[in-house]
Amino acid sequence: ELKVEQNPLFLSMQEGKNYTIYCNYSTTSDRLYWYRQDPGKSLESLFVLLSNGAVKQEGRLMASLDTKARLSTLHITAAVHDLSATYFCAVDNNSNYQLIWGAGTKLIIKP
Amino acid sequence: DTEVTQTPKHLVMGMTNKKSLKCEQHMGHRAMYWYKQKAKKPPELMFVYSYEKLSINESVPSRFSPECPNSSLLNLHLHALQPEDSALYLCASSQVPGMNTEAFFGQGTRLTVV
Repeated sequence: ELKVEQNPLFLSMQEGKNYTIYCNYSTTSDRLYWYRQDPGKSLESLFVLLSNGAVKQEGRLMASLDTKARLSTLHITAAVHDLSATYFCAVDNNSNYQLIWGAGTKLIIKP
Repeated sequence: DTEVTQTPKHLVMGMTNKKSLKCEQHMGHRAMYWYKQKAKKPPELMFVYSYEKLSINESVPSRFSPECPNSSLLNLHLHALQPEDSALYLCASSQVPGMNTEAFFGQGTRLTVV
């Protein structure tokens, strides 16, 4: 059974700092996704990672995938308040094409 | 058009009411999903439609009844709900079932059962 673990679950940081969110998963998968969710809002797709060594960047966010280690990271560079949100990783369950979700990381960035 | 549109945005219903949630996408996606999300939790998959046919039902109680009238529309019919069914209900779609599961989400319906 595929399991997805995110850590940390909660992160409070100052503007301007760098930090990384980790997403570990338990069995082989070809695809990993990162989503952002603002309070009371829907889920916004941030990154789709499809192969080992994939790295994608959008503004201050960079996501990477290591399929051998079964690990993805979401790195935040020089954080700004607007990045405050909950971030979820989701992994494709190869056997029935469902997404298995991490618990989410609530990120608060203080001015 | 990269939108998934859900209506209504908010819904308050009594336990004896019947209501429906609606979802629409015009991206040509052939997989559509209903998720339920409780506060501070990840979304939980309820149903998956693949090419307009129900392919996954995650043991959802029968008081929730999905319907896919055509490739662009997805409904969720609600009847005799319980207060614990109060949640954010999210519709999503993805391109080709089994080939690309990147899901695009609607804005959700905030459901309160009283």
